[in-house]
Amino acid sequence: DIEMTQSPDTLSASIGDRVTITCRASQTISPWLAWYQQKPGAAPKMLVHRVSRLETGVPSRFSGGGSGTDFTLTISSLQPDDFATYYCQQYNSYPLTFGPGTTVDLK
Amino acid sequence: QVVLVQSGSELREPGASVRLSCEASGDDLSDFIVHWLRQAPGQRLEWMAWINFDNGNTYSSPKFRSRVTVSRATSAITTYLHLGSLQSADTAVYFCARERGGTFISWGQGSQVTVSS
Repeated sequence: DIEMTQSPDTLSASIGDRVTITCRASQTISPWLAWYQQKPGAAPKMLVHRVSRLETGVPSRFSGGGSGTDFTLTISSLQPDDFATYYCQQYNSYPLTFGPGTTVDLK
Repeated sequence: QVVLVQSGSELREPGASVRLSCEASGDDLSDFIVHWLRQAPGQRLEWMAWINFDNGNTYSSPKFRSRVTVSRATSAITTYLHLGSLQSADTAVYFCARERGGTFISWGQGSQVTVSS
């Protein structure tokens, strides 16, 4: 199985901050990496697929990057609606696996 | 747009089984693959299995293969997840989700399964 890790576990930030979350895979998965946002009590919502392609309707302040085994999700200017937990997911091979999540909260 | 609606919460004793449902509606139900995933409290999402509505093919994670069955109803766009030999570690929210190229673009609202004696 491909193991996914994320850092940090929790990120405390203020409105307007630029924040970056890192995701690492245990083997090369490019470009099969997606990012999801999940709020408490809700289902996840896909933000980015194929490393850097924004899903329709996702604000342009979100961006994805990286290659090989190391990837990032950046929010250029944090907004109130962005406080949530973010998960990366690899779909290079089965079983599909997710990272442990990064919670973005208010500093 | 596709909407997925899941069945409600379930409480089971250890050793029992549970069947969850996920009904799809919308205007684009062709080439339809639905996955089942779960999320234990405070844990990461865990992929379990998928089913292809067009041909009924299924595939499941080796972790669950011995005790999971995914099926579909022929009369409606509904998929079922049957999970047997439940233990407390199976307490989780179970999601169905529509696939697009290996990612999950539409999700059900989740079904809470609690395993407790």
